[in-house]
Parts: sequence; structure tokens; C-alpha cells
Amino acid sequence: EPEVTQTPSHQVTQMGQEVILRCVPISNHLYFYWYRQILGQKVEFLVSFYNNEISEKSEIFDDQFSVERPDGSNFTLKIRSTKLEDSAMYFCASSGGSANYGYTFGSGTRLTVV
Amino acid sequence: GQQVMQIPQYQHVQEGEDFTTYCNSSTTLSNIQWYKQRPGGHPVFLIQLVKSGEVKKQKRLTFQFGEAKKNSSLHITATQTTDVGTYFCANPGGKLIFGQGTELSVKP
Repeated sequence: EPEVTQTPSHQVTQMGQEVILRCVPISNHLYFYWYRQILGQKVEFLVSFYNNEISEKSEIFDDQFSVERPDGSNFTLKIRSTKLEDSAMYFCASSGGSANYGYTFGSGTRLTVV
Repeated sequence: GQQVMQIPQYQHVQEGEDFTTYCNSSTTLSNIQWYKQRPGGHPVFLIQLVKSGEVKKQKRLTFQFGEAKKNSSLHITATQTTDVGTYFCANPGGKLIFGQGTELSVKP
């Protein structure tokens, strides 16, 4: 069964450092998303991406965050200057259509900011 | 996006007992999706409901969409330890908005 692949599985970074989280969505999917989940809490929407641009973003997705699809297969989330409160599990997801398809999630990257 | 509220937040059952989680919205939903997240895992898509009053079954799982399309439920018959995890309803209106989830624990 097709999978969404995320790397790395764990990332520890110093506060103020930049991190890039990487995702390879399912190849024929058109919509891409980043979500985060702080330990013990619900899954929160960060950003959606379609046709090489951001289609929607949440309040969490401020100027410190950016997304890119640099080469037609990878989908990256960059956090420019990490804060302690950015520590969370970050999930990438993709879907074949905007509202009528189940989303396929990757296994996540656990980001720890120290 | 439209927020969805889920209850209960936690449910502890004895293996073999039934389990139900409820999802409510203050506004009409076009459709609703359900996901399961095992402890330490990622959300996995279970099902989507679209029609008013729709009922779908997956083995021991029964999903319902209310007549007014403002609520939904997931019922598990005769729970097993493999059912452990958090069940989320989600409103897929262009971006998927998750409810808070119901964490199910099953005592063997």
C-alpha cells in the first residue's frame, strides 16, 4: 500500500536553530499538508499545499514556518528559528482530493527543541 | 474551518464490552471522516461519511452520520485489546480539522 514517508523520525535541535522536516507524499496525490501534535493533545492543522502554493494556513503557521516542494517529490517544512514550544510530533499528510478523500499520514518526525 | 467536539475524552473498558464515541458540530457538515491513532503512531484513515443518516460498518465498527449532518458516532462492538488507541473525527473541509479525540483503553 502506498505510504507517506517522513525523515528524520527524531530530531533534536538547539533553540534558535533552523530545522527542515522532510516528507515524500504519495506520488499521485495532489494535496499536501503539515500537522503537528503536542504530546497528549489533538492533531493540529498547520498548512495545506496545492499546485505549488500554500492554499491555507493556520494561526500557528507564522513567519517562522515555510513549506516547499523543491523537486516534485519531496515536501518540506522549515522552521527558521526554533522555540521550545515548537517541540511536537510533526505529521505530513497527502490526499488525492481536497474534501472527498481520506488523508494518508506519514509516521511523523518527533522534534525536540532544547 | 468548522470545529468538531468529541466526547468522551477517555474511555476505559473491559475487553468484550462495547464502546462509543460521539462527535458534534454546531453547524452542518458536508461530510465527516474518522481516524484511529495507535499509541505512539500516526492517524490512520478509517472511513468517510457523506450522506444524511448514513450508516457504515467495518467488521465490529459501526459509523453513523446524523440526519442533520451535525453529529456522528463510532461504535465498537465487543472491544479487543487491538482496538486501543485514540479515535478522532475530522471535518475535511479543504483542510482536515480534528476533534480532540477519544482515547480508548481496553483491559484484557
